[in-house]
Amino acid sequence: AQSVTQLGSHVSVSEGALVLLRCNYSSSVPPYLFWYVQYPNQGLQLLLKYTTGATLVKGINGFEAEFKKSETSFHLTKPSAHMSDAAEYFCAVSGSNDYKLSFGAGTTVTVRA
Amino acid sequence: DAMVIQNPRYQVTQFGKPVTLSCSQTLNHNVMYWYQQKSSQAPKLLFHYYDKDFNNEADTPDNFQSRRPNTSFCFLDIRSPGLGDAAMYLCATSRDWGQFTDTQYFGPGTRLTVL
Repeated sequence: AQSVTQLGSHVSVSEGALVLLRCNYSSSVPPYLFWYVQYPNQGLQLLLKYTTGATLVKGINGFEAEFKKSETSFHLTKPSAHMSDAAEYFCAVSGSNDYKLSFGAGTTVTVRA
Repeated sequence: DAMVIQNPRYQVTQFGKPVTLSCSQTLNHNVMYWYQQKSSQAPKLLFHYYDKDFNNEADTPDNFQSRRPNTSFCFLDIRSPGLGDAAMYLCATSRDWGQFTDTQYFGPGTRLTVL
């Protein structure tokens, strides 16, 4: 089975500063990794996903994530935070022997003016 | 735009009074999912339908049932809601099952309050 650990339940950044959200996974098979964003009282929206190929994945809204097998990580970054980035972010994993998505506990991002 | 729609967005029910939540999709996807998300927690999969095949998660309480009368619609029935069932309920769809790279598309959720 796969699992995900998100380090830090809350992250506060200044507008214009780097956003870094950490995600580490555990998987006995090649993982497939996802980042979702959830705005207040809304459903989840896919930011980006890694399946195979290029390890640096670019997503929507200026976010990107890098798959590092040696570190079992899939951290999410954005060079310059915007007020509209305030939301909850979930890292998720699935694998070739378990098609379900396993979500991390989530990281809430607040952006300071 | 193709989308996943959930109705109602907010639902209030009384302890023990059956309630039904609705999900519809215009994506023509084969798979529909129901998740429960409690405050400040990750979504938890309750069950999914692959076409008409129902798949229950092992730890989903019997109090939760689901129906999928056609490709577009899926319902979540809570037979006797308890206070612990207050949560956001998320419906999601994906094109196929067994394709672990398939994206799941989520609806906006229904927030259930149990009085």
